Amino acid sequence: EDKVVQSPLSLVVHEGDTVTLNCSYEVTNFRSLLWYKQEKKAPTFLFMLTSSGIEKKSGRLSSILDKKELFSILNITATQTGDSAIYLCAVSLNYGQNFVFGPGTRLSVLP
Amino acid sequence: NAGVTQTPKFQVLKTGQSMTLQCAQDMNHEYMSWYRQDPGMGLRLIHYSVGAGITDQGEVPNGYNVSRSTTEDFPLRLLSAAPSQTSVYFCATSKGDQPQHFGDGTRLSIL
Repeated sequence: EDKVVQSPLSLVVHEGDTVTLNCSYEVTNFRSLLWYKQEKKAPTFLFMLTSSGIEKKSGRLSSILDKKELFSILNITATQTGDSAIYLCAVSLNYGQNFVFGPGTRLSVLP
Repeated sequence: NAGVTQTPKFQVLKTGQSMTLQCAQDMNHEYMSWYRQDPGMGLRLIHYSVGAGITDQGEVPNGYNVSRSTTEDFPLRLLSAAPSQTSVYFCATSKGDQPQHFGDGTRLSIL
């Protein structure tokens, strides 16, 4: 059975802290791993990773994939209250469709 | 450009009632999917479509029906609502190997 696991499930930090969110997977026919941020409504896309060891960055957020150890991390530096959200990890199994999502990490950033 | 539009935003049903959740997109994406999101469980795939006239089951298809007569629309039908179907439902679209775009969701309560 295809499975995506995220840890921690919940995290509370203060503004300015750095956080690392983890995503591990056991799937067949891996194509890519994606990170989404979900605030009140629709998940919004952050990163798509297909190759091991290549870091993707967007401002204070960065992510990297390890296809040998089957995991990815999402780092957020100098956190802000606006980073409070659920962060979802998903794995794409084959061409186009069929994404498996993890349970999400709920991040709360306190002022 | 509206993107992915879901209607209604909220709905309350009684057990045994039927209803249709609407999803429309104007991005000419060939892939469309329906997910449900329950606390602590991430997004679970209900049904998906790789193009007009083609649909397939996801992880949790029981109690739901779909059809795809046009590229733009992908309605989700609840045949006989049950309290276990209380959830937030998201429609998502994508093209090729690109990340999915999500609608804002429909919050459904079944009494």
